[in-house]
Amino acid sequence: DAGVIQSPRHEVTEMGQEVTLRCKPISGHNSLFWYRQTMMRGLELLIYFNNNVPIDDSGMPEDRFSAKMPNASFSTLKIQPSEPRDSAVYFCASSPGPQGTQYFGPGTRLLVL
Amino acid sequence: RKEVEQDPGPFNVPEGATVAFNCTYSNSASQSFFWYRQDCRKEPKLLMSVYSSGNEDGRFTAQLNRASQYISLLIRDSKLSDSATYLCVFAGGYQKVTFGTGTKLQVIP
Repeated sequence: DAGVIQSPRHEVTEMGQEVTLRCKPISGHNSLFWYRQTMMRGLELLIYFNNNVPIDDSGMPEDRFSAKMPNASFSTLKIQPSEPRDSAVYFCASSPGPQGTQYFGPGTRLLVL
Repeated sequence: RKEVEQDPGPFNVPEGATVAFNCTYSNSASQSFFWYRQDCRKEPKLLMSVYSSGNEDGRFTAQLNRASQYISLLIRDSKLSDSATYLCVFAGGYQKVTFGTGTKLQVIP
């Protein structure tokens, strides 16, 4: 079992650039979650999907952030334009259902200069 | 009141000691409870679920107190490898999942 796959693992970009983070959930899992983790704020839920449909995006910081799940095996989180305060580790997690055990990917470390 | 409150620590304990963490939650509709472990620069991983009657997994014991709205994690005979950050997680209430900010444990030789 490959687990949750995220790419890229590291991203360094300049302020104003577009950033796209990718996630492949565990096959058969119906729920997918995007989190952001910083030292100051801990782990924050940004958005989650159930059966490819966004259920709760109340954690998305602002319009610069968008997420899509075009099919059961792929999701993207996009930041456009990026800002230095977006620097964080972004985790994707999947679970069999919304309240089940979540399995996290290795994360994407984003640094916006 | 915050949705989840967790003592950030760090808890510095000697090998072999027993240590306990609590985590309080404000949403009484919470239905599922978990403890996750996160090693430095790694992703969180499930440590154990927390059941109403309490449950044990080796040296780890998790308990739920619905009346006072908290869960606890007890680690007996601490090992150096237990050093990590422990995150409490609550799910329920409109299907929302909430993570605590974590309690850092450092086991000292």
